[in-house]
Amino acid sequence: NAGVTQTPKFQVLKTGQSMTLQCAQDMNHNSMYWYRQDPGMGLRLIYYSASEGTTDKGEVPNGYNVSRLNKREFSLRLESAAPSQTSVYFCASSDSDTPGWAQYFGPGTRLTVL
Amino acid sequence: QKEVEQDPGPLSVPEGAIVSLNCTYSNSAFQYFMWYRQYSRKGPELLMYTYSSGNKEDGRFTAQVDKSSKYISLFIRDSQPSDSATYLCAIWGRAGLTGGGNKLTFGTGTQLKVEL
Repeated sequence: NAGVTQTPKFQVLKTGQSMTLQCAQDMNHNSMYWYRQDPGMGLRLIYYSASEGTTDKGEVPNGYNVSRLNKREFSLRLESAAPSQTSVYFCASSDSDTPGWAQYFGPGTRLTVL
Repeated sequence: QKEVEQDPGPLSVPEGAIVSLNCTYSNSAFQYFMWYRQYSRKGPELLMYTYSSGNKEDGRFTAQVDKSSKYISLFIRDSQPSDSATYLCAIWGRAGLTGGGNKLTFGTGTQLKVEL
């Protein structure tokens, strides 16, 4: 039981390049999330998927797209990376997106955009 | 004003001390309160979760919620070097997301170091 896994662990991009961050969970959770964590800003929600087949914007969705590939997998795509997207990205999952359900986090992807 | 405010620290205490970590929040509609622990270069992990005002205890950890003051606390008794981490408060509630729905709002975290 691996929980939430993310790939890659580290990535360096040049401005304008694109990439996809992968996330998978083996807990049979319905809801999945993508956050970014920046110093002094805390964790901010980029996109979430309340259930398979649905996705919605979070607080900071600009510059990102997501795909809920199936119940297990939720990917985050940067179409044209910018230095402002340098951050640590965390994927999380929970049984439900209704209040009170704990979210379980992956180990993170450290992204640097030059 | 941020929805959730948390002193970033760093907070340094000797081993065995009682640690008090605090958050304030502004939205009275917030309903569920959680504490996460994040070790360096790792993802956050859930420590404690509570809904009502009052105290909830789990081993050396006690979570306290005062909804009238919009104030939540995490106490760590007999602190250990292994408790050295960043502690994030997180609060569930309805929020103005574009797609509607609920959101878990995180504090920025308090960095704790427990020294031998």
